[in-house]
Amino acid sequence: NAGVTQTPKFQVLKTGQSMTLQCAQDMNHEYMSWYRQDPGMGLRLIHYSVGAGITDQGEVPNGYNVSRSTTEDFPLRLLSAAPSQTSVYFCASSYGTSGSGANVLTFGAGSRLTVL
Amino acid sequence: GQNIDQPTEMTATEGAIVQINCTYQTSGFNGLFWYQQHAGEAPTFLSYNVLDGLEEKGRFSSFLSRSKGYSYLLLKELQMKDSASYLCAVRDSNYQLIWGAGTKLIIKP
Repeated sequence: NAGVTQTPKFQVLKTGQSMTLQCAQDMNHEYMSWYRQDPGMGLRLIHYSVGAGITDQGEVPNGYNVSRSTTEDFPLRLLSAAPSQTSVYFCASSYGTSGSGANVLTFGAGSRLTVL
Repeated sequence: GQNIDQPTEMTATEGAIVQINCTYQTSGFNGLFWYQQHAGEAPTFLSYNVLDGLEEKGRFSSFLSRSKGYSYLLLKELQMKDSASYLCAVRDSNYQLIWGAGTKLIIKP
């Protein structure tokens, strides 16, 4: 199993450009999410999905779009990149979120984005 | 607001024991997680506590006190490969994870 696959690993954009970060998982996980990680701060949730066709906003959704057309894929789109979006982005998935189980997150390797 | 506090950085010696604390104030509680993150890599799951007490898993143990809003991660017989950041996260009443900023652990020979 590949787990959670993110592409690209590194990207440099100019202000105003758009791009898509790809995320795919092969574990049949219902829950998928995007986080950004910035120095001195905890992981912050951007968007998440509890199943195909269902998406919702997290803590910091502005400037980002997502879609979930299949169980496997959950791309993150930056509509018009800004320097404040310079960050490391992680895609993460789990079987679910609710219930008494741990529902441990499996993370992708991360995508380091720089916006000039 | 919701808040997770953990020390920014700790230093310990190879072979020793270190305790990393985490205090939290969240809207509800549905479990506490510890993840390990090596520099430049993704976080990986270490432990999960939902009831008070100690959970032991090899060299790593995690403790939870829900009444005090407190957890710690205990690492024994430290090895150089334990140099990493340790992230504390709490699942709130909406089953969303609230993350601490992480504790960078430096192991010295």
